[in-house]
Amino acid sequence: GEDVEQSLFLSVREGDSSVINCTYTDSSSTYLYWYKQEPGAGLQLLTYIFSNMDMKQDQRLTVLLNKKDKHLSLRIADTQTGDSAIYFCAESIMKTSYDKVIFGPGTSLSVIP
Amino acid sequence: DAGVIQSPRHEVTEMGQEVTLRCKPISGHDYLFWYRQTMMRGLELLIYFNNNVPIDDSGMPEDRFSAKMPNASFSTLKIQPSEPRDSAVYFCASSFLVETQYFGPGTRLLVL
Repeated sequence: GEDVEQSLFLSVREGDSSVINCTYTDSSSTYLYWYKQEPGAGLQLLTYIFSNMDMKQDQRLTVLLNKKDKHLSLRIADTQTGDSAIYFCAESIMKTSYDKVIFGPGTSLSVIP
Repeated sequence: DAGVIQSPRHEVTEMGQEVTLRCKPISGHDYLFWYRQTMMRGLELLIYFNNNVPIDDSGMPEDRFSAKMPNASFSTLKIQPSEPRDSAVYFCASSFLVETQYFGPGTRLLVL
């Protein structure tokens, strides 16, 4: 099946690390993504990881992929108030003749000053 | 590049009226996507095009919804007749590869 799940809410204190988790069901995923949506705006691609990688680091962002458990996480180090947003996990899957991207429901991150 | 451009940014209309949402993708991108976002259902893919041809329209809710892409730089999503349950934010996104999508700012539609 095609399903991406995330917890809906996360609250952290400014300066702490945030970890947003995601699980997916389709083992044929080629890429997995994290998008950020700020209030009143569209989704912005933050980072992505190819399915044969375990980890990707980009400045304050660390993506971990456990392909066996179909688990993806996004760690934000030194979380700032500007990181408050909704974070969407997504996977791309191969259909028989085309690719499809499936988005999760989004995790709303609140950063407490 | 100005990014994905959507118009109008806000639309308020009455039930039964026709609504047309417009999108200009990023130049050079050959994929275009239409999404709908609501609190209840989250982000839903309605339809996507590759080289102006619809590839997957399985997310289009019903016959009241139609989408066209007459050329590589323009697409429309039309709702006729509109209903209150169509109220949502409608996003257009484009990409060079299907995986890396760039989203527009969205059109907030309210049907009274």
